[in-house]
Amino acid sequence: DAKTTQPTSMDCAEGRAANLPCNHSTISGNEYVYWYRQIHSQGPQYIIHGLKNNETNEMASLIITEDRKSSTLILPHATLRDTAVYYCIAGTHTGTASKLTFGTGTRLQVTL
Amino acid sequence: NAGVTQTPKFRVLKTGQSMTLLCAQDMNHEYMYWYRQDPGMGLRLIHYSVGEGTTAKGEVPDGYNVSRLKKQNFLLGLESAAPSQTSVYFCASSYPRGTQSYEQYFGPGTRLTVT
Repeated sequence: DAKTTQPTSMDCAEGRAANLPCNHSTISGNEYVYWYRQIHSQGPQYIIHGLKNNETNEMASLIITEDRKSSTLILPHATLRDTAVYYCIAGTHTGTASKLTFGTGTRLQVTL
Repeated sequence: NAGVTQTPKFRVLKTGQSMTLLCAQDMNHEYMYWYRQDPGMGLRLIHYSVGEGTTAKGEVPDGYNVSRLKKQNFLLGLESAAPSQTSVYFCASSYPRGTQSYEQYFGPGTRLTVT
């Protein structure tokens, strides 16, 4: 699986958009970009994933560059409850299992 | 639906003791996973299962055994606990959606301390 690089930490004011970047320059053609988050010490929570098109769901938007070497997770209106560690993961579903490799992620702090 | 549940939530073991962590899911998922998370680190895959009766090694399998006798349950065993196995253990499950990607659903974790 491709290695991803994320900033260690970021701050965002409540109500503003949080833009979390991720570099995955060695991503292969069949690898998806997944985003998960972990609030405090809870189990990780799936947010969104994409292959090459931009994606949006009720939680967030995912913007993937045309060359697929980087992506940005956008939380359009961050709230205090969005304070968490956000993981960007590049991985494949091989037909036998989807094994996710979690790095250390970006710690997002949403402040008043 | 309860989703993914883990038993117990906390446990303290002495070095050399054994224990089994239980993961249960009620979503009829095919795939199940065990991860560990050490302080300040990301999650690392220990073992996984693609179906009832099948298991496979992940990134850090040494010192652990697993069994998937029923589709809804995935057990993680520590035969002789060591202090290096002090960690938070997360179970996850997923269902292969089509032939591409799919999300994993995680349990709340088991906090294990080995003294």
